[in-house]
Amino acid sequence: KNEVEQSPQNLTAQEGEFITINCSYSVGISALHWLQQHPGGGIVSLFMLSSGKKKHGRLIATINIQEKHSSLHITASHPRDSAVYICAVSPNTGNQFYFGTGTSLTVIP
Amino acid sequence: DAGITQSPRHKVTETGTPVTLRCHQTENHRYMYWYRQDPGHGLRLIHYSYGVKDTDKGEVSDGYSVSRSKTEDFLLTLESATSSQTSVYFCAIRGDRVGANTEAFFGQGTRLTVV
Repeated sequence: KNEVEQSPQNLTAQEGEFITINCSYSVGISALHWLQQHPGGGIVSLFMLSSGKKKHGRLIATINIQEKHSSLHITASHPRDSAVYICAVSPNTGNQFYFGTGTSLTVIP
Repeated sequence: DAGITQSPRHKVTETGTPVTLRCHQTENHRYMYWYRQDPGHGLRLIHYSYGVKDTDKGEVSDGYSVSRSKTEDFLLTLESATSSQTSVYFCAIRGDRVGANTEAFFGQGTRLTVV
């Protein structure tokens, strides 16, 4: 049973394209996290959301609590955005996280 | 950047030997986690801690033990390493502010190879 589902699993885009990665979850949550992992690298927290929308540079994250859905958008994509993007949720009960399996993004120059 | 460091970053060990990985934080966060990351499985929880000397098992805890004798350090021990424990191990920390969500921070990972 996967509490968190991401789509697509793999994504290839041309530089400059607008990118959307989706995350759906099945449990009640207190927060949703978007994480980024470059090949062979560590995991970096991009956003933590409990409602609405957040923006950081070219990255935008939105969440719809009623629909249990979040999206991560990248505007004007660049090859350095190539990474795995992971959606994780903090459920209302318990101290653990549930993770999606990640979306592997490749941006071609 | 949050103060979380893992050591060692890379290790090659032989089957049957004990191995200890260390996670060190300077944030005074309450929760600390150990995950393993494998292709096709994503991040899976091994053990976590919710305070000094307070730990609990995750979904893939067999073959692993942990200890947290002080807030800043969370140790993961493979008592007798097996090839199936070849993986990338991540430590994570999370704070505990009443009435507020707290962000999670991850270490850089430890790449462990058991030969």
